Amino acid sequence: EVQLVESGGGLVQPGRSLKLSCAASGFTFSNYGMAWVCQAPTKGLEWVASISTGGGNTYYRDSVKGRFTISRDNAKNTLYLQMDSLRSEDTATYYCARRDGYYHYFDYWGQGVMVTVSS
Amino acid sequence: DIQMTQSPASLSASLEEIVTITCQASQDIGNWLSWYQQKPGKSPQLLIYGATSLADGVPSRFSGSRSGTQYSLKISRLQVEDIGIYYCLQAYSAPDTFGAGTKLELK
Repeated sequence: EVQLVESGGGLVQPGRSLKLSCAASGFTFSNYGMAWVCQAPTKGLEWVASISTGGGNTYYRDSVKGRFTISRDNAKNTLYLQMDSLRSEDTATYYCARRDGYYHYFDYWGQGVMVTVSS
Repeated sequence: DIQMTQSPASLSASLEEIVTITCQASQDIGNWLSWYQQKPGKSPQLLIYGATSLADGVPSRFSGSRSGTQYSLKISRLQVEDIGIYYCLQAYSAPDTFGAGTKLELK
């Protein structure tokens, strides 16, 4: 059974950092691209960042470029999102998702982790 | 960036009714379109990928279609468990963009 379990969320002050993790199991992690998708309270879904199977290619939405870093450790079956210089508008639930290799849809999602940026 | 215009924003329908939700892409995205259902307090779940292919385990009353740059999700006979918010997603080119969502309620 495919499982994605996020951790690392919480309350953080503006300008500070947070690192999210997503532990994957039930599939060959190194064979799949992965992504982070966020959802602000009562709002819709927004793609945040994606990473290729080997980690060599990464993509970000404009609002997080230069502040967030997506990475992966295929030996540990874990996806990460390093979030620096956090802003109040980054407050959201963050989901990790497995990405199909051709049509790039998200076929499995984690349960989500809440990040609250507030003083 | 590619814009996905999703309509309607909300929809009230009766059990067994046919429901259709549409997404209009601002440019050609081929079949790089997927649909998701999100129930309150839960993670999104994949329904349709490649514009028309049904994801594993999804009831056959769900179907997807494409006409040019307009994409549709159809629920042939609405059931109570279909209540939730539906999103389309284009992944043809970065940044991936979601539609704004359609909130489906029971009448």
